[in-house]
Amino acid sequence: DAKTTQPNSMESNEEEPVHLPCNHSTISGTDYIHWYRQLPSQGPEYVIHGLTSNVNNRMASLAIAEDRKSSTLILHRATLRDAAVYYCILRDVRGAAGNKLTFGGGTRVLVKP
Amino acid sequence: GAVVSQHPSRVICKSGTSVKIECRSLDFQATTMFWYRQFPKQSLMLMATSNEGSKATYEQGVEKDKFLINHASLTLSTLTVTSAHPEDSSFYICSAAARDVGNTIYFGEGSWLTVV
Repeated sequence: DAKTTQPNSMESNEEEPVHLPCNHSTISGTDYIHWYRQLPSQGPEYVIHGLTSNVNNRMASLAIAEDRKSSTLILHRATLRDAAVYYCILRDVRGAAGNKLTFGGGTRVLVKP
Repeated sequence: GAVVSQHPSRVICKSGTSVKIECRSLDFQATTMFWYRQFPKQSLMLMATSNEGSKATYEQGVEKDKFLINHASLTLSTLTVTSAHPEDSSFYICSAAARDVGNTIYFGEGSWLTVV
């Protein structure tokens, strides 16, 4: 599986934006970039995904580098409920094997009031 | 949206006994589900792939006779931890892909197992 690298932790103040980087230099052409987050004592929750173009949804934005070797998840206005571990995962959606996600260490986001 | 539900959310069992955890896809069918284990302060580790109507596929290092997986229907997979020991205490999480919902993968709420 292609590997991703994320910082262990990041801190943010409430109401401020948070930019979470992810490096995936060995990404292949068929890998989608997925982000999940895990709140304490809960299962992971889907946040956003993309292939080449930047993506926006109600939860976050995803900025993908032109060479696709890195991406950034953007939380526009962090709230206390956004405190979680954020995982950047590469997913090859060709076939059923793409449903098997490999989790790295993720980034623990702390939001200060 | 699509929902995956696990039961029980918390269970305490005595060492040497077996405990079953259920994973259900509530509003979609899943031919494949996945079981993960997560120890405190660590990331999720894939244990096995649960295949409807056939044997589960286990990741390297996971004992198939200890962690029995049954996927008897398109909406239910069960994980049975047999002869549980304290070191099996962990957070167990299942996932399933919802084909009808953009193939997004959904996770259950997780099940805390404590073996005493």
